[in-house]
Amino acid sequence: SQKIEQNSEALNIQEGKTATLTCNYTNYSPAYLQWYRQDPGRGPVFLLLIRENEKEKRKERLKVTFDTTLKQSLFHITASQPADSATYLCALETGSGYALNFGKGTSLLVTP
Amino acid sequence: GAVVSQHPSRVICKSGTSVKIECRSLDFQATTMFWYRQFPKKSLMLMATSNEGSKATYEQGVEKDKFLINHASLTLSTLTVTSAHPEDSSFYICSARTGSAKNIQYFGAGTRLSVL
Repeated sequence: SQKIEQNSEALNIQEGKTATLTCNYTNYSPAYLQWYRQDPGRGPVFLLLIRENEKEKRKERLKVTFDTTLKQSLFHITASQPADSATYLCALETGSGYALNFGKGTSLLVTP
Repeated sequence: GAVVSQHPSRVICKSGTSVKIECRSLDFQATTMFWYRQFPKKSLMLMATSNEGSKATYEQGVEKDKFLINHASLTLSTLTVTSAHPEDSSFYICSARTGSAKNIQYFGAGTRLSVL
């Protein structure tokens, strides 16, 4: 069956450091992969989409890599800030009508 | 742009009653809307895919008679939880995709349903 695995343990880092989150998947052949941010009690917010032919994508302090051989994506936040504290979700298409399957998410806590 | 409004944000109801949740795309036409359910510390679970003017496609294990979905216009989809029971208590979230950025989903703020 299709699986999306994210590190379920919370990631605690100090302000200013780089946070790196991992997303591994099995039984998918994705054309692209997405990352979303979710704050407590809120709906997810789209951050980045990376296509299978893109090795890396950047948006401001965010960087995503996509290795289809390893079946893995890494999500980096550089110069992290307390406001970056949230849960970050990795998502892949189910293969039916653009619906998405989400990983469980990794909770990030950035402390001053 | 691409704002999705979801109402109500929170609802508390008695067991056996029906609850309707609305999902509106405010500044775009949503060709497809999705309904998810999320339990505490768990991931979003897709319940159904809703296309305007047609019947919703439900995921395996989701009772279509229990969770009624209506997508009457390109800007509105509703989810009705019929004869709600305590086990239906959860966080329900809708999302929508535009015709242009097809792969990206824009999410509502979610509805916290508590069934007593």
